[in-house]
Amino acid sequence: EPEVTQTPSHQVTQMGQEVILRCVPISNHLYFYWYRQILGQKVEFLVSFYNNEISEKSEIFDDQFSVERPDGSNFTLKIRSTKLEDSAMYFCASSAIAGGLNEQFFGPGTRLTVL
Amino acid sequence: DAKTTQPNSMESNEEEPVHLPCNHSTISGTDYIHWYRQLPSQGPEYVIHGLTSNVNNRMASLAIAEDRKSSTLILHRATLRDAAVYYCILRDINDYKLSFGAGTTVTVRA
Repeated sequence: EPEVTQTPSHQVTQMGQEVILRCVPISNHLYFYWYRQILGQKVEFLVSFYNNEISEKSEIFDDQFSVERPDGSNFTLKIRSTKLEDSAMYFCASSAIAGGLNEQFFGPGTRLTVL
Repeated sequence: DAKTTQPNSMESNEEEPVHLPCNHSTISGTDYIHWYRQLPSQGPEYVIHGLTSNVNNRMASLAIAEDRKSSTLILHRATLRDAAVYYCILRDINDYKLSFGAGTTVTVRA
């Protein structure tokens, strides 16, 4: 069964450093998403991406964040200057279509620890 | 975002059915009812979704009230692997994102 993969599984970085989290969505999917989950809290939507553009973003997704689909398979989330409060699990997801009809497939997550 | 209300936790015995309620009294006509679950240390996983009619798939059944203001996710025979946080989410037909709440933590006793 096709699945979303994410690398690395755990990333440790110093405050102020840039990090790039990588995701390989399911191959025939067109819509891509990033979510995060701070330890003990709910899963929060960050951004959705379609046709090489951001289609929706949350208030969390400020100028420190960016997304990119650098090639036909990868989807990345970049945090330019990490803060302590960026420590969280980051989940990538993809779907074949958008909207209320679709199901989103989630990856296993990347645990980001900012020291 | 339309709101849902779920119990914080539920317990079940293995091989018994589990009925997870969700209230969504402010649901609009274009909102789909989605259920996802999150097993410990994993990403969320799609379970089922519906609009007006009851739905069945290999994982669960979704019973939707006639007025659509509530729904129930039914796990027919709980296994230890079904222990997870279950999220009831309303999603507009044009909505890209999933808006997760706190969900219901399901514990399955052997």
